[in-house]
Amino acid sequence: KQEVTQIPAALSVPEGENLVLNCSFTDSAIYNLQWFRQDPGKGLTSLLLIQSSQREQTSGRLNASLDKSSGRSTLYIAASQPGDSATYLCAVHAGGTSYGKLTFGQGTILTVHP
Amino acid sequence: GAGVSQSPSNKVTEKGKDVELRCDPISGHTALYWYRQSLGQGLEFLIYFQGNSAPDKSGLPSDRFSAERTGGSVSTLTIQRTQQEDSAVYLCASSLSPGEEQFFGPGTRLTVL
Repeated sequence: KQEVTQIPAALSVPEGENLVLNCSFTDSAIYNLQWFRQDPGKGLTSLLLIQSSQREQTSGRLNASLDKSSGRSTLYIAASQPGDSATYLCAVHAGGTSYGKLTFGQGTILTVHP
Repeated sequence: GAGVSQSPSNKVTEKGKDVELRCDPISGHTALYWYRQSLGQGLEFLIYFQGNSAPDKSGLPSDRFSAERTGGSVSTLTIQRTQQEDSAVYLCASSLSPGEEQFFGPGTRLTVL
């Protein structure tokens, strides 16, 4: 059974810092990996999707990397801003009989102070 | 529509009542998913529809839960004889095809008294 772990559970940083959120998964036979952000009381907003054949994806100040063989992904946020404060979720899309389903980590709660 | 929509946004019901939650996926998306988010369990998969294929119901927690997708578009998640442990946010997502990027709706917050 695929398990997804996110570290740290919570992170508080001053505005302007570069930061890294970590995600690990137990079964490396994944189809792709997706990063989301969730604001309080809201649904999930997709940030980046990395296919299993890719090493990284970039969108603006966000960069996500994937090391499938070691079961790890990182989300790098450059020059953090207070508006980046949210919960960040990593989700793995497994293949095979789990095709179509995302398995989520518990999330990292990020607070960026002005 | 521009994104996935869900209704109602909030639902309060009494234990033992039946509830129906609705999801409108992004137009043209063939795959539709239901997830549940609760404090103790995080985000968990419930059911997945792809085109006209039989749905993958492997995540439904009990036979009180069922879902259908009519005409390959709108989906309804039904919970019969609700229990307090059913209280959670129910999220719907859709993707262009299975394995593609999933886009989520705002969710329905269900409270069972």
